[in-house]
Formats: sequence, C-alpha cells, structure tokens
Amino acid sequence: NAGVTQTPKFQVLKTGQSMTLQCAQDMNHEYMSWYRQDPGMGLRLIHYSVGAGITDQGEVPNGYNVSRSTTEDFPLRLLSAAPSQTSVYFCASSYRQGLSYEQYFGPGTRLTVT
Amino acid sequence: AQSVAQPEDQVNVAEGNPLTVKCTYSVSGNPYLFWYVQYPNRGLQFLLKYITGDNLVKGSYGFEAEFNKSQTSFHLKKPSALVSDSALYFCAGEGGFQKLVFGTGTRLLVSP
Repeated sequence: NAGVTQTPKFQVLKTGQSMTLQCAQDMNHEYMSWYRQDPGMGLRLIHYSVGAGITDQGEVPNGYNVSRSTTEDFPLRLLSAAPSQTSVYFCASSYRQGLSYEQYFGPGTRLTVT
Repeated sequence: AQSVAQPEDQVNVAEGNPLTVKCTYSVSGNPYLFWYVQYPNRGLQFLLKYITGDNLVKGSYGFEAEFNKSQTSFHLKKPSALVSDSALYFCAGEGGFQKLVFGTGTRLLVSP
C-alpha cells in the first residue's frame, strides 16, 4: 500500500492565483481530512469528509473548497490564494472499528504565496 | 470546547536519560488521546493512543504514555533517550467524530 499520497510537495503561488492540492489514499478509509500546520499553532483542521459525497468544514475553512467524488481522492482547492495561506498542508485518512481508531498522514505540501 | 495543551515549546535531554514530554487535555466525555512525531520535512507518524483500558500505553520506538484522569494529563515518556528521538512531538485529542485537535507541539532535542 502507498498509504496517503499528496502532490505537489512544494508550490509557490502569486496572490490571487488558484490551485488544487491533491490527496489520495489506497486503504479504503471512509474518513479523510485536510490540516494546515503553522509555526507555534500545531495542526488545524480545514475540511473533512466522512465518505464519498459528504464534506464538512473544520476549524479554518475560509478560502478553501473540497469535494469527495470517490473514496480514494480528496482534493483541496485554493480559490484565490492569499499570503495568509502560506503553510504546510497535510492530508489524512482514518478508519474506525469499534474503539480502534487511527489517522494516517500524508507527507505534506509546502505552499508559499507571494 | 475540546483542547489539548503542550506547555513546553522545547525539551532538552541528554542521550541515555529518561525523557518526558507533557500534554494536558480538556475534553468532555471519554478522552481519546494520541501522540504523533514529526521528523524534519516529513509527515506525522503515529506513536501511540489511549482509547480505554490501562492507563499506561505502550507505543512505537520504546515510547509510552501515562493517562491520568485526575490531572487530565497524557505525558509521553521514554526510559532512555536516543539522539535519533530528536523531533517535533504532537499531542492530540479527538474533538468530534474522527476530528483531531492538536497541541502546539514540543520540540525534543537529545544531545549526545
């Protein structure tokens, strides 16, 4: 299994540009999520999905869109990039079986907005 | 609101000495708590979790954590630190169905 994969690894955008961060998992997990990591702030949840066709907002959703057309893929779209969106973005997937629960993280995408 | 706090930005320890990385939590109901480690330019790797049961949880790479309900703490411990343990450590709690709330992270530096 490749686990959770993310592309690209690095990206530089100009203010106002749009782009899509890709995330895929091959573990057949129903739950997927996007976090951003900023210095001194830990990871904060942007959007999440509990299954194909179902998405919801997390703690910091403004400026981002998501969709979930398949179990495997969960892309994150930046509509009009702003310098405040400079961050490292992590995608995660997870399963739950009774009390057993674990999230698996991708390697991250480092985004700089100038 | 669910929250997790890591009171130390950095912990320094000499190789071979025991280490502790602190975490306190504030959640309603039964707390589900996790520790993750992040090496430079890498994603987060799962270390261990507390769901229910024994208060002492053993995880990967010789790490363990002690759940203390009365002190609302979930400190990460290792009996003998290695230089290779140097990394950024995150404590997290479940802030809703499969939604993690993270602490701000603690950088562990193990000196030779």
